[in-house]
Amino acid sequence: EDQVTQSPEALRLQEGESSSLNCSYTVSGLRGLFWYRQDPGKGPEFLFTLYSAGEEKEKERLKATLTKKESFLHITAPKPEDSATYLCAVHSSGTYKYIFGTGTRLKVLA
Amino acid sequence: DVKVTQSSRYLVKRTGEKVFLECVQDMDHENMFWYRQDPGLGLRLIYFSYDVKMKEKGDIPEGYSVSREKKERFSLILESASTNQTSMYLCASSQNGLAGAPPTDTQYFGPGTRLTVL
Repeated sequence: EDQVTQSPEALRLQEGESSSLNCSYTVSGLRGLFWYRQDPGKGPEFLFTLYSAGEEKEKERLKATLTKKESFLHITAPKPEDSATYLCAVHSSGTYKYIFGTGTRLKVLA
Repeated sequence: DVKVTQSSRYLVKRTGEKVFLECVQDMDHENMFWYRQDPGLGLRLIYFSYDVKMKEKGDIPEGYSVSREKKERFSLILESASTNQTSMYLCASSQNGLAGAPPTDTQYFGPGTRLTVL
């Protein structure tokens, strides 16, 4: 069964304190892995799509990486405005379904 | 930029009412999705549509129906609203990949509708 697990559930960082969020997945055949940012009461905002192991993508202070079993979202020198819930999702071959993790709630303190 | 809009940000309805949630996307995407999001449960798929008038049940279709009469519009219908349908409802769309091109399965989400059923 396809599965996505995100860790930690919650993370508190000081401004400037870099860290990584983890997304472990089990799928029969990966078509794509997706990272989203979600602010309270709003819809998920697309960040990155990764398609194959070894792929990396960057955007400002965020960098996403992918292996055959997990993905990391690295946050470098975070700022308070990076506080949000970060969601990971996978789309496996042969299905229209996307499997979402329950997210990591990130709080960056000034 | 892809834009997905939903008809209401907040909605309050009474038990037994018929509720319509509408979603419109402006990028000519083939696929559209309705999810509900509840604390601790994550996003759960209600229905999926891959073309006009075509639909597939997701993981929790009971109590819901959908309509897709035009490519850009996907409606979610709560036939008789109940209190356990109080939730955040999210619409998303995605494009089918073109032959010979890298896959492009990214889902783009709307702002969400917070529905409260009293």
